[in-house]
Amino acid sequence: EADIYQTPRYLVIGTGKKITLECSQTMGHDKMYWYQQDPGMELHLIHYSYGVNSTEKGDLSSESTVSRIRTEHFPLTLESARPSHTSQYLCASSPSGFEQFFGPGTRLTVL
Amino acid sequence: DAKTTQPPSMDCAEGRAANLPCNHSTISGNEYVYWYRQIHSQGPQYIIHGLKNNETNEMASLIITEDRKSSTLILPHATLRDTAVYYCIVRVGNSGNTPLVFGKGTRLSVIA
Repeated sequence: EADIYQTPRYLVIGTGKKITLECSQTMGHDKMYWYQQDPGMELHLIHYSYGVNSTEKGDLSSESTVSRIRTEHFPLTLESARPSHTSQYLCASSPSGFEQFFGPGTRLTVL
Repeated sequence: DAKTTQPPSMDCAEGRAANLPCNHSTISGNEYVYWYRQIHSQGPQYIIHGLKNNETNEMASLIITEDRKSSTLILPHATLRDTAVYYCIVRVGNSGNTPLVFGKGTRLSVIA
């Protein structure tokens, strides 16, 4: 069973605030990913990383940014939150193999 | 990566086999078929993957047609806990160098 953690699990915040969603994994996986999913809708890849100091943008244009300074940590930052950012954010990691392990997600509401 | 087509929804009686189809007619020779599922709003969970041979594990069986243009995920004895959205994904290789791209999937409802 994979150990991948996301904090906070739920966040309600006002417009204009800067927020960072945390994602950590303890498996030493090189590859990590962020997906965004609105209720009842598809998952969209927004960022991914193949290792330390490597980050790439995904298929869905996002105003968020990511960093990968440590293997186990892949935080996502919104500099100025807006109501359109209200969504669920799912983090995943993968070893050099075929399976992606997902965290429990962060539900973000921007008022 | 090849595009996949899945029915938007299916029902299955509890205890019966659930057969979920996936069409991937443009699949190329080095692309694998992966299946994931997402229960309610949890993170997706890996089920099974294959290249051209049929595969079976403790969760499900994957049947890939000989021409590889379609596949079927089989849950042999569906339970209420199998109610979820099931995603069929085609991706090059099994190295994880290409992120998974999720489509709309099939919403499976297991009915008591």
